[in-house]
Amino acid sequence: QVQLQESGPGLMKPSQTLSLTCTVSGGSIKSYSDWWSWIRQPAGKGLEWIGLIYASGNTNYNPSLKSRVTISVDTSRNQLSLKLSSVTAADTAIYYCARSMVRGMDVWGKGTTVTVSS
Amino acid sequence: EIVLTQSPGTLSLSPGERATLSCRASQRVSSSYLSWYQQKPGQAPRLFIYGASNRATGTPDRFSGSGSGTEFTLTINSLEPDDFAVYYCQHYTSSAYSFGQGTKLEI
Repeated sequence: QVQLQESGPGLMKPSQTLSLTCTVSGGSIKSYSDWWSWIRQPAGKGLEWIGLIYASGNTNYNPSLKSRVTISVDTSRNQLSLKLSSVTAADTAIYYCARSMVRGMDVWGKGTTVTVSS
Repeated sequence: EIVLTQSPGTLSLSPGERATLSCRASQRVSSSYLSWYQQKPGQAPRLFIYGASNRATGTPDRFSGSGSGTEFTLTINSLEPDDFAVYYCQHYTSSAYSFGQGTKLEI
């Protein structure tokens, strides 16, 4: 059974680049039937899709974040990563990774909290 | 960009009652790619309905989804205490996802 676990810095300062990792266990990140997404949720607010990566390595990003986001996969470590540049307080949120498909996201990590504060 | 609008924002009901949650799309969408999630405080969202009307593994049969085009509905029959949570609709198209803003179902 596939499980996901996010990890990250917790606290960041404005203008820094956020780097998060999602470790996939119980399955291969290289499965060609699986895609992987990052989603975030500010405290008390709704869900925002950040972007996705296919097993092929192709990516697609939310247009509102596209200029600052990079999603990549490290198949040797069975991990996917998220980089978000020039963070501000508005990027403070819980960040989730999820296994994705056309019918939705069926496996989610527990999320990691990122706080941007000077 | 497809915008999903959920209503109501908050729904106050009692156990045993029926809940009807709405998700409206800004343009016609494929029902095959319309999903519903349940999220409880401190937890990640959980896929409950996919393809507009198919229950995901573990979703109780008191949950049902319906709709097509621009109007979709999540119905919960005979509410149980465990059902009180926030529900999100989601759509996938052209390699991108969008979420509704959520409906909070409260006692």
